[in-house]
Amino acid sequence: GAVVSQHPSWVICKSGTSVKIECRSLDFQATTMFWYRQFPKQSLMLMATSNEGSKATYEQGVEKDKFLINHASLTLSTLTVTSAHPEDSSFYICSARGGEVAEAFFGQGTRLTVV
Amino acid sequence: DAKTTQPPSMDCAEGRAANLPCNHSTISGNEYVYWYRQIHSQGPQYIIHGLKNNETNEMASLIITEDRKSSTLILPHATLRDTAVYYCIVRVSTFFYSGNTPLVFGKGTRLSVIA
Repeated sequence: GAVVSQHPSWVICKSGTSVKIECRSLDFQATTMFWYRQFPKQSLMLMATSNEGSKATYEQGVEKDKFLINHASLTLSTLTVTSAHPEDSSFYICSARGGEVAEAFFGQGTRLTVV
Repeated sequence: DAKTTQPPSMDCAEGRAANLPCNHSTISGNEYVYWYRQIHSQGPQYIIHGLKNNETNEMASLIITEDRKSSTLILPHATLRDTAVYYCIVRVSTFFYSGNTPLVFGKGTRLSVIA
């Protein structure tokens, strides 16, 4: 299947700082990328959908000013958690689809711990 | 997208077939059945999908009942590495849908393969 790479795989940051997570499609052009968040022992919850070159669409309850999503190219989307707090600690996962890749493929996830 | 119902957990002996059921009684005619799995601390992995015919690939087989109201994912010879949460998702295939509908995850079935 298609390859989606997410970086970093884990990060620890201090409360109040910002963290950027990258999601890259390595062998296809991702016209659409999705960002999910997963808390321990829970399922994936969709945060936002982004299309290359346009603003992301956020799910209800997700603060767009706190979770900044940029999808400036067909192979890269970034999620920036601004002014992170301990409650933002979670597993963040991106998914991408586009071009000849009809199905959505997932990155390996990023575990964010805010201390 | 149609709602699915899966047992919360299952055990399977290593080397035996793992049969994971999924109920999707409200499935529509143009909706496919997708299966993904998530190994601990990783992003979801695509397994297989189908419309009405049984499907098989190198990972698993998908058996869909004639009325399409339920399906079974079969891992023919389960190994310890198959221990994961398995998600059954019903949705319109992206081959027919040009929008940006994300995958919506339920709670899935936690499969434990036991040595």
